Amino acid sequence: RKEVEQDPGPFNVPEGATVAFNCTYSNSASQSFFWYRQDCRKEPKLLMSVYSSGNEDGRFTAQLNRASQYISLLIRDSKLSDSATYLCVVIIGGGADGLTFGKGTHLIIQP
Amino acid sequence: DAGVTQSPTHLIKTRGQQVTLRCSPKSGHDTVSWYQQALGQGPQFIFQYYEEEERQRGNFPDRFSGHQFPNYSSELNVNALLLGDSALYLCASSLGAGFYEQYFGPGTRLTVT
Repeated sequence: RKEVEQDPGPFNVPEGATVAFNCTYSNSASQSFFWYRQDCRKEPKLLMSVYSSGNEDGRFTAQLNRASQYISLLIRDSKLSDSATYLCVVIIGGGADGLTFGKGTHLIIQP
Repeated sequence: DAGVTQSPTHLIKTRGQQVTLRCSPKSGHDTVSWYQQALGQGPQFIFQYYEEEERQRGNFPDRFSGHQFPNYSSELNVNALLLGDSALYLCASSLGAGFYEQYFGPGTRLTVT
């Protein structure tokens, strides 16, 4: 079983809509959680960290459910520029395995 | 403020050859981590260098080795290249050992034929 699992999509969403995707992690020793964004053929960029209390950054909201071992990302009022692959990332335990990435969820915002 | 830089951008090598990839960290950062990203996959952690020593290592064979220089820049070396080594190699820098606030470079795309 993969450490971090995501629905690869693609999610095709009209501009202005709200879209949400989840990510599940298998290792209960996972300590820190992040969402990264990766544009086609570019490097990953940190979108936001994910905290147990949830956090919001503009149109983006991230939630962590430790009991069920999943992380979610909600994007409101989606823009064409939100089209990208969203990578769910965890740090397991002390980080001996570095950042552990999911395969990513591909999002396409349609005009 | 210079971000993470990597060279070369693209590289084509033949099976069995050796390759060296280079990374300069973001200004003010002292730690470099290397990741391999195969097509359609998320990046996989190779190793991390801090204070010129390999601090953490992922599940990669000894064919993958590295080095960090006093100016914090780093090299990734891969010996005896296999077709399966074809991937995007990403360097990420941060301040201090650990994996928070990692900034990634644009990557080196390696093709092994």
